[in-house]
Amino acid sequence: KQEVTQIPAALSVPEGENLVLNCSFTDSAIYNLQWFRQDPGKGLTSLLLIQSSQREQTSGRLNASLDKSSGRSTLYIAASQPGDSATYLCAVGGSNYQLIWGAGTKLIIKP
Amino acid sequence: KAGVTQTPRYLIKTRGQQVTLSCSPISGHRSVSWYQQTPGQGLQFLFEYFSETQRNKGNFPGRFSGRQFSNSRSEMNVSTLELGDSALYLCASTRGAVETQYFGPGTRLLVL
Repeated sequence: KQEVTQIPAALSVPEGENLVLNCSFTDSAIYNLQWFRQDPGKGLTSLLLIQSSQREQTSGRLNASLDKSSGRSTLYIAASQPGDSATYLCAVGGSNYQLIWGAGTKLIIKP
Repeated sequence: KAGVTQTPRYLIKTRGQQVTLSCSPISGHRSVSWYQQTPGQGLQFLFEYFSETQRNKGNFPGRFSGRQFSNSRSEMNVSTLELGDSALYLCASTRGAVETQYFGPGTRLLVL
């Protein structure tokens, strides 16, 4: 049974810092891994999708990596801004048409 | 292109009632998934539909059901509501199993 873990559960950093969020999963037989952002009381916004054959994806200040063999993914945020404050969730997609979710990392960027 | 829409956005029901939530996917997307989000359990998969067929179902009681119409719009129904059904219900659509899932804003259900 796939299990997804995100560390840390919460993170508070000053504006401008580079930071890394971690996601680990127990079963390497995945189709893809997605990173999402959720603002309080809102739905989910897809940030990056990494297919199982890929090692990383980049979008603006965001870079996500995937290491299937070790069951890990990282989301790197460069030059953090207060607007980056949100909960970041990773989700693993498998062959059964469902996403398995981590519990999320609540990120606070202090001005 | 319009995003995923969910109606209603907010609902208040009492225990024992039933509720129907609606989801309209992005045009051209044939797969619709439903998730429940609660503070205690996080995000949990309910079910997924593709071309009117349920392909997978999560570990929820039979009170939770869904369907998909020929235009890919989907509904989920919860019967005999319990207090623990209070949650944010999220719908997502995608073109295929390896594609990005796009989420709607959710329906927040409060059961009193």
